[in-house]
Amino acid sequence: QVQLVQSGAEVKKPGASVKVSCKASGYTFTSYYMHWVRQAPGQGLEWMGIINPTGGSTSYAQKFQGRVTMTRDTSTTTVYMELSSLRSEDTAVYYCARFWSGYFYDYWGQGTLVTVSS
Amino acid sequence: QSALTQSPSASGSPGQSVTISCTGTSSDVGGYNYVSWYQQHPGKAPKLMIYEVSKRPSGVPDRFSGSKSGNTASLTVSGLQAEDEADYYCSSYAGSNNFVVFGGGTKLTVL
Repeated sequence: QVQLVQSGAEVKKPGASVKVSCKASGYTFTSYYMHWVRQAPGQGLEWMGIINPTGGSTSYAQKFQGRVTMTRDTSTTTVYMELSSLRSEDTAVYYCARFWSGYFYDYWGQGTLVTVSS
Repeated sequence: QSALTQSPSASGSPGQSVTISCTGTSSDVGGYNYVSWYQQHPGKAPKLMIYEVSKRPSGVPDRFSGSKSGNTASLTVSGLQAEDEADYYCSSYAGSNNFVVFGGGTKLTVL
């Protein structure tokens, strides 16, 4: 069965970076793009960007350009999302989500809470 | 502020029907038949309920249906059940730059 398993919760200080992992299993890793979506406490969903696991190409939301980097490791079927220059407003649950060509997400990771606090 | 506009709340009694709307623009909802809806229970990841405006994934009850008219998409939940109480988010493709946009979410309460 398809599973997306994310790394555990993180607590970071303002200005630091965080790297969240998402290990995919149960399907051909390179056949589906992966997206990252975040959700601040009590808020809605926010699209961050996309990575093509085949070649590693990426596209990021303008809001995160210059601060976010998405990578993948095909040998471990894992995608990563690194966010730098963290500020308190980046406190959120970060999700990876498998993307279908019909522009929807059929499987989501369990989420990773990133808390930014001094 | 979210790109797509949803009413913050909706409610209905068990057995009733409720419709949640999602308003965008011709650059997203109105421009593509790529609207999807997600259900999210507290502390859980979103779950796909509707894709491509009106298609239901396997395992989603047929009480859930979707439609679109112009720049507004709708999710209708018929025969409300207690377990339908959750937050619902709409999403749309928005072109190669913005890619995916979400609504702010609607909290559905089953009275």
